[in-house]
Amino acid sequence: GNSVTQMEGPVTLSEEAFLTINCTYTATGYPSLFWYVQYPGEGLQLLLKATKADDKGSNKGFEATYRKETTSFHLEKGSVQVSDSAVYFCALRGLAGSQGNLIFGKGTKLSVKP
Amino acid sequence: GAVVSQHPSWVICKSGTSVKIECRSLDFQATTMFWYRQFPKQSLMLMATSNEGSKATYEQGVEKDKFLINHASLTLSTLTVTSAHPEDSSFYICSGAGTEETQYFGPGTRLLVL
Repeated sequence: GNSVTQMEGPVTLSEEAFLTINCTYTATGYPSLFWYVQYPGEGLQLLLKATKADDKGSNKGFEATYRKETTSFHLEKGSVQVSDSAVYFCALRGLAGSQGNLIFGKGTKLSVKP
Repeated sequence: GAVVSQHPSWVICKSGTSVKIECRSLDFQATTMFWYRQFPKQSLMLMATSNEGSKATYEQGVEKDKFLINHASLTLSTLTVTSAHPEDSSFYICSGAGTEETQYFGPGTRLLVL
C-alpha cells in the first residue's frame, strides 16, 4: 500500500542555517505530494504541494521537488528562522479528485535556536 | 486559510464513560470531514471520513460502535468515543474539506482515559 517515510527528528538548527528534511514515498500510480506544518498549539497547515513529477512546490522560502525517479519530496529552506520551529509532516494523496485520503509521515520536529 | 476549531482541546475522563469531541469549520462549508488519531511519535492515522448527511466511512480496524461520528451540518462534525478505556487515550484531529482540494485541520483534542 501507499506509505510515507520521513527523517526522524528532532532537528535542531541555528538561525540562518540550511534545512533539509528528507521524505520518500511508496505509491502506485501518480500521487500528489504535500508538506504540512504544525506550529505549537495550532492545527496542521498546508505548506506546499506538488501534483506531478518534476513539479516544485514553494512557500515562505521552503521548497520541495517531486522526484519520481527517487520517489522523494525533500523539504529545503536556505536560511531558517526561529519562527520556523514547528513539526513538519510529509504526506501523499493517491486517489484522484479533491476528497482523497491523505497518508502522513510521522512528522519531524524542527527547533531553530537564535 | 480556512479555520477549523475543535472542542475541547483536552479532556480527562474515567474509564467506561463516553466523550464527545466537536469539530467546526468556522468560515467555510465542509462537505467532507475527516477524523484522525495520532499516537506519540507516530503518523496521523485516518479513522473515518464523513460527508454531510451521510453515514461515515470507517477505515479498516476502526470500530464503528466505539467511535461514533455524526456530520449533521456543513460546519459541524462530532466524534463520540463510547465507553472509553485507557487504550483510547490519544490525540484526535479533525479536518474539513470544501469544494477545493485542500483539507483544513483543527488543532486537535488530547484525550486521557484514567
